Amino acid sequence: QVQLQQWGAGLLKPSETLSLTCAVYGGSFSGYYWSWIRQPPGKGLEWIGEINHSGSTNYNSSLKSRVTMSIETSKNHFSLKLSSVTAADTAVYYCAGRYYASRVDYWGQGTLVAVSS
Amino acid sequence: SSEVTQDPAVSVALGQTVRITCQGDSLRTYYASWYQQKPGQAPFLVIYGNNNRPSGIPDRFSGSTSGNTASLTITGAQAEDEADYYCTSWDSRGTRLVFGGGTKLTVL
Repeated sequence: QVQLQQWGAGLLKPSETLSLTCAVYGGSFSGYYWSWIRQPPGKGLEWIGEINHSGSTNYNSSLKSRVTMSIETSKNHFSLKLSSVTAADTAVYYCAGRYYASRVDYWGQGTLVAVSS
Repeated sequence: SSEVTQDPAVSVALGQTVRITCQGDSLRTYYASWYQQKPGQAPFLVIYGNNNRPSGIPDRFSGSTSGNTASLTITGAQAEDEADYYCTSWDSRGTRLVFGGGTKLTVL
């Protein structure tokens, strides 16, 4: 059974860089697209982007200029950096594993990231 | 703005059947998946590939599509089904995963 465990700073100031990491335990690390999805308080889900085991990325065009995803296959870890954050980036950030199409099988526990001066 | 849209809220009497719909032109081309989310929890896959249930999902959950509309049907809704439900698919260019705005299901 695959489990995702994520961590990172929960409170940022405007203009800082958000940084989160997700560890994948169990299952096939190479068989999934490793994704980041966020959810502002009281609102819906937004896909940020994804990376595969080869390091190929696909980002949401609305965030592309500020997003960097990386992967460390030796540790079964993948990471998200979002630069120049503002209050609009305040959200619960989830790491997730997409198998194919729109099938997201696995989700991390979520990390609330608040941006405030 | 989302490329797939959902009704914000739906209610159903305990034990009755409810259909939650998701509309978008990309659904003519790409599979829809459905996720259940309860307060304070991560979303949870209940339907993938338009009409497939992951193992462990009760068979009262079913999915279907017709034209530009995907549907999630709960036959005999239970109190524990009260949650937010999100549909997702790809955008019309197949480059971005998009989520509907979510439907809050209330079981009366």
